[in-house]
Amino acid sequence: DVKVTQSSRYLVKRTGEKVFLECVQDMDHENMFWYRQDPGLGLRLIYFSYDVKMKEKGDIPEGYSVSREKKERFSLILESASTNQTSMYLCASSFLRGGATEAFFGQGTRLTVV
Amino acid sequence: AQSVSQHNHHVILSEAASLELGCNYSYGGTVNLFWYVQYPGQHLQLLLKYFSGDPLVKGIKGFEAEFIKSKFSFNLRKPSVQWSDTAEYFCAVKGNNNDMRFGAGTRLTVKP
Repeated sequence: DVKVTQSSRYLVKRTGEKVFLECVQDMDHENMFWYRQDPGLGLRLIYFSYDVKMKEKGDIPEGYSVSREKKERFSLILESASTNQTSMYLCASSFLRGGATEAFFGQGTRLTVV
Repeated sequence: AQSVSQHNHHVILSEAASLELGCNYSYGGTVNLFWYVQYPGQHLQLLLKYFSGDPLVKGIKGFEAEFIKSKFSFNLRKPSVQWSDTAEYFCAVKGNNNDMRFGAGTRLTVKP
């Protein structure tokens, strides 16, 4: 069964902390994505990666960075957490080409920055 | 980059009513189109997808969507909704550069 696993369901961090959100997929997908989900705004793309060590900015990359050292793992880093980064963070993965390019999602990490 | 508009923010229907949720996208190239559903407390799941061929696609749970290229639309339909369809629905588009973008979502409430 397809699986995208995010390391934490809930996190509470303090303003200014460096925060790491981890995501692992077991489907050998080339693409991986990080989104944040906020009420009324839907899912907004932060970063995505189509290969190891490759990354592309999405629509809201400010305040975030990513790391992809291995194909199955994609990490989102909040360099200095701020209260406006309180949100639900969703990781997803997909194949790069072909018809079956839908994204599979993890359960999400609800991050609260206090 | 592509963008997606979902015009209905919250739709309230009674059971057995018909459903149509609007989705428009802006992108000049070849697109893959998707509808996802998120039930309360659950992760996003794929309802259906379009990438080529017949513009009328059928998905799970009786949902279907029609791709109208001239209108840049991919509306979701269901002839008769059930209480269990209460959820949030997201339209998404994937372009040639492999990024996938989502609309703001439509919350559907079905009254028993």
